[in-house]
Amino acid sequence: GAVVSQHPSWVICKSGTSVKIECRSLDFQATTMFWYRQFPKQSLMLMATSNEGSKATYEQGVEKDKFLINHASLTLSTLTVTSAHPEDSSFYICSARTGSNGYTFGSGTRLTVV
Amino acid sequence: QQQVKQSPQSLIVQKGGISIINCAYENTAFDYFPWYQQFPGKGPALLIAIRPDVSEKKEGRFTISFNKSAKQFSLHIMDSQPGDSATYFCAASCPRNSGGSNYKLTFGKGTLLTVNP
Repeated sequence: GAVVSQHPSWVICKSGTSVKIECRSLDFQATTMFWYRQFPKQSLMLMATSNEGSKATYEQGVEKDKFLINHASLTLSTLTVTSAHPEDSSFYICSARTGSNGYTFGSGTRLTVV
Repeated sequence: QQQVKQSPQSLIVQKGGISIINCAYENTAFDYFPWYQQFPGKGPALLIAIRPDVSEKKEGRFTISFNKSAKQFSLHIMDSQPGDSATYFCAASCPRNSGGSNYKLTFGKGTLLTVNP
């Protein structure tokens, strides 16, 4: 089945630094990828939709300059959290649409900003 | 506006029992209704999904019941096991170009299922 590989699985960074999270589709081409944020015991909140070769579409209230999304190839999308602060600490999850079969999710990245 | 309402928020079931989680939606343009299982620290994994042209779909111990007129769908877990203890999310999505949604999923708030041994 379709697999989305997300790295790193966890990362700790200092306040003010930037962190990049990668999602790769391993055995299929992902034209569209989605990035979510999830707080403890809450649902997934869609941050943005990225389409290969074009600018990402951000959901209302998501700072595009803080959460930079790049989808430069059909198998790789990246989320960069710039100038991270403790309030950016969260669980970030990517997902790719896999045709008519639905969506496949990455395993998530736990970001802790200290 | 919450487009997919999920209940209950939490559920405790004895081993061997039936777990039932319900969802209601508002957007009649939704045409794909998946259920996801999520364990702590992991991404969601697809359990089962249904499209509105059928009223029920069964895969092993998991069954989706779909009521298009009531705009409701539910997940039934038969013979629930302690290993089923996880958070379950219902979701829905629209076809491409339906209001510019570009296939994005709308999630319910989740149900924490605990199956006691």
